[in-house]
Amino acid sequence: KNQVEQSPQSLIILEGKNCTLQCNYTVSPFSNLRWYKQDTGRGPVSLTIMTFSENTKSNGRYTATLDADTKQSSLHITASQLSDSASYICAPGSNYKLTFGKGTLLTVNP
Amino acid sequence: DAGITQSPRHKVTETGTPVTLRCHQTENHRYMYWYRQDPGHGLRLIHYSYGVKDTDKGEVSDGYSVSRSKTEDFLLTLESATSSQTSVYFCAISETDEQYFGPGTRLTVT
Repeated sequence: KNQVEQSPQSLIILEGKNCTLQCNYTVSPFSNLRWYKQDTGRGPVSLTIMTFSENTKSNGRYTATLDADTKQSSLHITASQLSDSASYICAPGSNYKLTFGKGTLLTVNP
Repeated sequence: DAGITQSPRHKVTETGTPVTLRCHQTENHRYMYWYRQDPGHGLRLIHYSYGVKDTDKGEVSDGYSVSRSKTEDFLLTLESATSSQTSVYFCAISETDEQYFGPGTRLTVT
């Protein structure tokens, strides 16, 4: 059975600080992994998509890493802003067949 | 929301009644998806479409049917709504690996 575990479940940090979110997965078939940001009451928005052969991918202050051998991914947020407060969802899979994690709820306080 | 609209945005209905949710896109993307999002679960795929009149089941398809008679519209029907179908429903579209999500429909079955 496909499984995605994200940690921590929730995280509170101060504005300007960095943080790292974790994603461990057991998914088949696997060809890529996505990270989404979901604001409260909105649909998810893609941050990065990494293929199994990529180790690191950046999108502004967001940097994702992937280790396909250990089936682990992380999302690092640098110099957090209040607008980063959201749920961050990891979704490994293949093309249209994705398995979504439950997300990490990040709160950035002033 | 990448040219995706969902209607209605909110609906309250009674157990046993049929309900149809609509997803409309202006992007001419080939693939369309219906997901549900519930507390304690990641997004789960209900049905997807890979072209007009071409649809297939996802992970949680029982009690749901879909239709796609035009590229731009993907309908999700709850044939006889049950309280377990109370959820937030998201439509998504894709042409390549990137999936774009709509704003969601909050459905409450009483």
